[in-house]
Amino acid sequence: DIQMTQSPSTLSASVGDRVTITCRASQSISRWLAWYQQRPGKAPKFLIYDASSLESGVPSRFSGSGSGTEFTLTISSLQPDDFATYYCQQYSTYSWTFGQGTKVEIK
Amino acid sequence: QVQLVESGGGVVQPGRSLRLSCAASGFTFSSYGMHWVRQAPGEGLEWVAVTSYDGSNKYYADSVKGRFTISRDISKNTLYLQMNSLRTEDTAVYYCAKGGIDGATAKVRGMDYFDYWGQGTLVTVSS
Repeated sequence: DIQMTQSPSTLSASVGDRVTITCRASQSISRWLAWYQQRPGKAPKFLIYDASSLESGVPSRFSGSGSGTEFTLTISSLQPDDFATYYCQQYSTYSWTFGQGTKVEIK
Repeated sequence: QVQLVESGGGVVQPGRSLRLSCAASGFTFSSYGMHWVRQAPGEGLEWVAVTSYDGSNKYYADSVKGRFTISRDISKNTLYLQMNSLRTEDTAVYYCAKGGIDGATAKVRGMDYFDYWGQGTLVTVSS
């Protein structure tokens, strides 16, 4: 099974900060990676697919990059709505696994 | 707009069964793969099961294989998860999620992401 590891587990930041979350796969997954945002008590929200393609309606301050085994999610200027937990997810052949999550909290 | 509404959660004793439902609307249900994903209290997300757009392919996480069965009724636009031999470690919020890739492509390539999620239904397994 492919394991996904996110870092850091928790990130303290202020409104306006640039934030980067890293996701590493235990083996190459090409560009088959998605990112989700989850606010407390809510369902996850889909943000990015194929490592860097922004889902329609997602603010452009969110961006993704990477391929193979190393990926990043960047928020260019953190907004109050962005304080949440972020998960990466790989979707290679008939296999779906999530990272453990990165909580972005207010500094 | 796409809507997914789960139901059927509740409190159940270990070893018993429960069936979850997910009513879908706002898209062509028969054209997309559908998934179940769960989240134990205070924990991260765990993929549980998938059914292809036509119901012919089904895959399960090792943790539920042989105990859970995913199915879909296209006439009712509804996804199901039959959960048997429940264990305390199955306690979680269960979400249904729509595949983001068109069903035929997702089935051939064996890959998919989740572009819409329901609000979740809580399953508590406890004596």
